[in-house]
Amino acid sequence: NAGVTQTPKFRVLKTGQSMTLLCAQDMNHEYMYWYRQDPGMGLRLIHYSVGEGTTAKGEVPDGYNVSRLKKQNFLLGLESAAPSQTSVYFCASSQTKGHQETQYFGPGTRLLVL
Amino acid sequence: GQQVMQIPQYQHVQEGEDFTTYCNSSTTLSNIQWYKQRPGGHPVFLIQLVKSGEVKKQKRLTFQFGEAKKNSSLHITATQTTDVGTYFCAGKEDRGSTLGRLYFGRGTQLTVWP
Repeated sequence: NAGVTQTPKFRVLKTGQSMTLLCAQDMNHEYMYWYRQDPGMGLRLIHYSVGEGTTAKGEVPDGYNVSRLKKQNFLLGLESAAPSQTSVYFCASSQTKGHQETQYFGPGTRLLVL
Repeated sequence: GQQVMQIPQYQHVQEGEDFTTYCNSSTTLSNIQWYKQRPGGHPVFLIQLVKSGEVKKQKRLTFQFGEAKKNSSLHITATQTTDVGTYFCAGKEDRGSTLGRLYFGRGTQLTVWP
C-alpha cells in the first residue's frame, strides 16, 4: 500500500508556463483534496472532489484547474504559472466511515515559479 | 464561511516544559481533528474528537473538545525534542453534510530546545 503519492516532488517553472501535478491514492477513497502551504498560512484548500467526475472549489481556486477522471487520481493544473503560485502543494484523500474522516496526505510537491 | 483560528503561531520551549495550542471555530463543529507535520514532512493524522467535552490522551498528549464544540486544545506534557513540528487543528462544520471538507487552522510551530 503506497497510500497517497504525488509527482513530481519538485519543479521549477518560468512565469507563464503550464504544468500538471498528479496525485494518486490506492486506498479506494472517495474524497480527494489539493492544498497549498505557504509560511505562516497553514493549509489552504484549492479544489476538492467528492467522487469520480466531480470537483468543487475551495478557498483559493483562482489560477488552478482540476480533474478527477479516475477515482484513484486527482490532477491539479496550472495553465499559466505566476510567482504567487510558488508554494508546497499537498494532495490528500479521505473516506468517511461513520464519524471517522481522517485525511491522508501525500509527501508534497515543491513548486518554484520564477 | 467557517474559520478556524489557532494560537499561538509559534512556541519555543525547553525540553521538559509543557506546551499547549488552542483552536477556536466561528461555528459549531461536528468533529475536530489534529495533525502533526514534522519539518520538511507532510501532515499526519493524530486524533479525532467528536463528542462535546471529549478528552483523549495519547501518552504525553492530551486533546480536549469544548462543551460547545467550538474550541479544542492540544497539551503536551514534558516536551521532548521528538515533539518538534507544526501542529494543526482541523474542524468540520456541523451542518449534517457528508462531505469530507475540513477547515484547517494555521498551525502552531513548536520548537524544543534540548
